[in-house]
Amino acid sequence: DQQVKQNSPSLSVQEGRISILNCDYTNSMFDYFLWYKKYPAEGPTFLISISSIKDKNEDGRFTVFLNKSAKHLSLHIVPSQPGDSAVYFCAASGTYNFNKFYFGSGTKLNVKP
Amino acid sequence: SQTIHQWPATLVQPVGSPLSLECTVEGTSNPNLYWYRQAAGRGLQLLFYSIGIDQISSEVPQNLSASRPQDRQFILSSKKLLLSDSGFYLCAWSALRMKKKAFFGQGTRLTVV
Repeated sequence: DQQVKQNSPSLSVQEGRISILNCDYTNSMFDYFLWYKKYPAEGPTFLISISSIKDKNEDGRFTVFLNKSAKHLSLHIVPSQPGDSAVYFCAASGTYNFNKFYFGSGTKLNVKP
Repeated sequence: SQTIHQWPATLVQPVGSPLSLECTVEGTSNPNLYWYRQAAGRGLQLLFYSIGIDQISSEVPQNLSASRPQDRQFILSSKKLLLSDSGFYLCAWSALRMKKKAFFGQGTRLTVV
């Protein structure tokens, strides 16, 4: 039973436009959410995170939005660059479960020049 | 600074052979340690989680086991590999003081033939 879901396996965006990646979760006990970026044959690297006490966190071109009532989060990349092409995973964790991290299935982003 | 090492990078093993993947963390003490697997076309599945030496929990029933003989060493093992054990295995660590981020190793591509 997947507790974190990314329903879009792939997304294609033109360079300079906005990329929006979505993620849904089912466990209301999750209190911390993260986005990771992964290139083939490499480990994921941390991108940005948000605590459940916030609804928005921004870091440069990356912004994460959290809608707790809908159990939904999204990652916005503006403007998108070809170097952003990678697989993006969202993850969730909760203090109640010793901070185990549960990941979605990933969305492959392709930014076209 | 903290670093995580995981080896080998690639491994081809016959069905029925044993497995041992090793992961070590440097620059921190008492980390939480994780083993994840990414099967072809799928997300990151949490396999094992450890909060201390000899304290390991298994997330899913499987053909694999994990051990933590030292504080910063995490080992993934199998006595007899199955074809279904093929995948990309990732070790990760986290610490509460690091804002609950998980940091990943470079991964091991395991192919069981």
